[in-house]
Amino acid sequence: GDSVTQMEGPVTLSEEAFLTINCTYTATGYPSLFWYVQYPGEGLQLLLKATKADDKGSNKGFEATYRKETTSFHLEKGSVQVSDSAVYFCALLFSGGYNKLIFGAGTRLAVHP
Amino acid sequence: GAGVSQSPSNKVTEKGKDVELRCDPISGHTALYWYRQRLGQGLEFLIYFQGNSAPDKSGLPSDRFSAERTGESVSTLTIQRTQQEDSAVYLCASRSFSGSSYNEQFFGPGTRLTVL
Repeated sequence: GDSVTQMEGPVTLSEEAFLTINCTYTATGYPSLFWYVQYPGEGLQLLLKATKADDKGSNKGFEATYRKETTSFHLEKGSVQVSDSAVYFCALLFSGGYNKLIFGAGTRLAVHP
Repeated sequence: GAGVSQSPSNKVTEKGKDVELRCDPISGHTALYWYRQRLGQGLEFLIYFQGNSAPDKSGLPSDRFSAERTGESVSTLTIQRTQQEDSAVYLCASRSFSGSSYNEQFFGPGTRLTVL
């Protein structure tokens, strides 16, 4: 069945460091892919998405490219800030319909000054 | 406008008790989802409502779990005879409906359930 695997956390970085959070997926066909973010005390928010192979989603300095060859959708940011500290979830749109999402386990990012 | 709201934010209960969790979706959103997040795990889909009907209940883990939705608005997730493995954060999401194209799901802050 459809599934998402993302790197375990926590990831701890200094401010202005480069961030990569790995995400790979298993699915039928080529599903839409998403990164969601959960800031402390808040609900999940859509960070970025990509709907087809080679698409690049971007938002708030974060980027992720849909790679069908490696079935990956790694999240990157060139220079993280303390305010980026959150839990990041990779997800795919289930191929079976109803627009339900299949999530990875989440990766906690802690950025310190 | 207001986002998705959920109540209570925290619930502590004893094993064997019944609990009800409430979700108020964004006004006008006809699609509503319940997900569960157990510690250290990703979100698991539980149930999907389109209007007041639930065409996909495939994620409900057992017959102790049920959900309903009324007035194409509020939804209630009920867990009967709670067990310790039911401890999790229960998240609700809603989206507008537009056939097969994807519309963003908006998530509530969740209800943290602890079963002692």
